[in-house]
Amino acid sequence: EPEVTQTPSHQVTQMGQEVILRCVPISNHLYFYWYRQILGQKVEFLVSFYNNEISEKSEIFDDQFSVERPDGSNFTLKIRSTKLEDSAMYFCASRDQRANTGELFFGEGSRLTVL
Amino acid sequence: TQLLEQSPQFLSIQEGENLTVYCNSSSVFSSLQWYRQEPGEGPVLLVTVVTGGEVKKLKRLTFQFGDARKDSSLHITAAQPGDTGLYLCAGEGSNYKLTFGKGTLLTVNP
Repeated sequence: EPEVTQTPSHQVTQMGQEVILRCVPISNHLYFYWYRQILGQKVEFLVSFYNNEISEKSEIFDDQFSVERPDGSNFTLKIRSTKLEDSAMYFCASRDQRANTGELFFGEGSRLTVL
Repeated sequence: TQLLEQSPQFLSIQEGENLTVYCNSSSVFSSLQWYRQEPGEGPVLLVTVVTGGEVKKLKRLTFQFGDARKDSSLHITAAQPGDTGLYLCAGEGSNYKLTFGKGTLLTVNP
């Protein structure tokens, strides 16, 4: 069964360093998302991406964050200068454009630890 | 801002018992989805409800969408230890963006 894959599964970084989280969405999906979940808190929307541009972003997604689809398969989230409060699980998700509801398929997540 | 409140936050029951968890909001959603999340993993979609009053069954799980499309419930019959997990509801807003509740952490003891 097709699935969303994410790498790395866990990354530890120093505050101020740049981090890139990678995602391979399901191949025939065209809508892509990043969500994050701080430990013990709810899953929060960061950004949605369609047709090679951001369609919506949350207040969390400030200038330190960016997304890119560098080729036909990868979808990346970059954090330019990490802060302690960026420590969280980051989930990539994709959606089938043929679906008339917002059903998302999530990857297993990338755990980011900022020291 | 659309908010989803889930209750109870924690639920610990014995195998074989029935349970209901709730998801409530003051906002109307285009659809509402239920996910299950295991520790250290991503949410896995269980069901999507779209029409007010809709009821969907998935084996021992029964999902209901409120008539006004603002709330939903998940009922599990004869719970099993394998049902243990975090159950999340998520409401679909504009641009198919999902707003998640905090979840109900269910523990089913053998």
